[in-house]
Amino acid sequence: QQPVQSPQAVILREGEDAVINCSSSKALYSVHWYRQKHGEAPVFLMILLKGGEQKGHEKISASFNEKKQQSSLYLTASQLSYSGTYFCGTPSGAGSYQLTFGKGTKLSVIP
Amino acid sequence: NAGVTQTPKFQVLKTGQSMTLQCAQDMNHEYMSWYRQDPGMGLRLIHYSVGAGITDQGEVPNGYNVSRSTTEDFPLRLLSAAPSQTSVYFCASSSSGTGERYYFGPGTRLTVT
Repeated sequence: QQPVQSPQAVILREGEDAVINCSSSKALYSVHWYRQKHGEAPVFLMILLKGGEQKGHEKISASFNEKKQQSSLYLTASQLSYSGTYFCGTPSGAGSYQLTFGKGTKLSVIP
Repeated sequence: NAGVTQTPKFQVLKTGQSMTLQCAQDMNHEYMSWYRQDPGMGLRLIHYSVGAGITDQGEVPNGYNVSRSTTEDFPLRLLSAAPSQTSVYFCASSSSGTGERYYFGPGTRLTVT
């Protein structure tokens, strides 16, 4: 089942902060975050693993709440380059090889 | 190191035609997968493979076929194209499935008329 992302879209001015949320109806074992710019492929941002391990982008932070089956991506002091669509992806189950993505959150940063 | 490559970048097909979308990676990744992306739908998994000779279905496999004869290549075949298969197709690879980052190819934009 697809994870649910919120908000669907957000507009920020440069320097403002944003939070993008990802919720699952099933137990979470890991959460992936990717950013996609228009006409391009998704680019890896971060993986959060059960137990607290994180791998990824130094300038982006995220949280992973296993009990609430949620993850949040924190974008602080936003830059124009942060614009794009953000996707979270979650495995279909423990040990699953299937990564299911949410429908995305479109972030627009304006001067 | 080219990463994940896909060909062609663009393709127009007529209903009923067949074709193969090519995907290759040079990172010696065991895990490869195909996604389609439609407006407002996110990325949906079509098929995936956990190694040469091993493939399995994702959430939207109908109308598509895959095989994995080598670690490097994972082609996607459209057996009889339909307008509903108009989409952008992405191939991705990973060293060990969902526990490691995915590397995406540049995508193939397919239009079926």
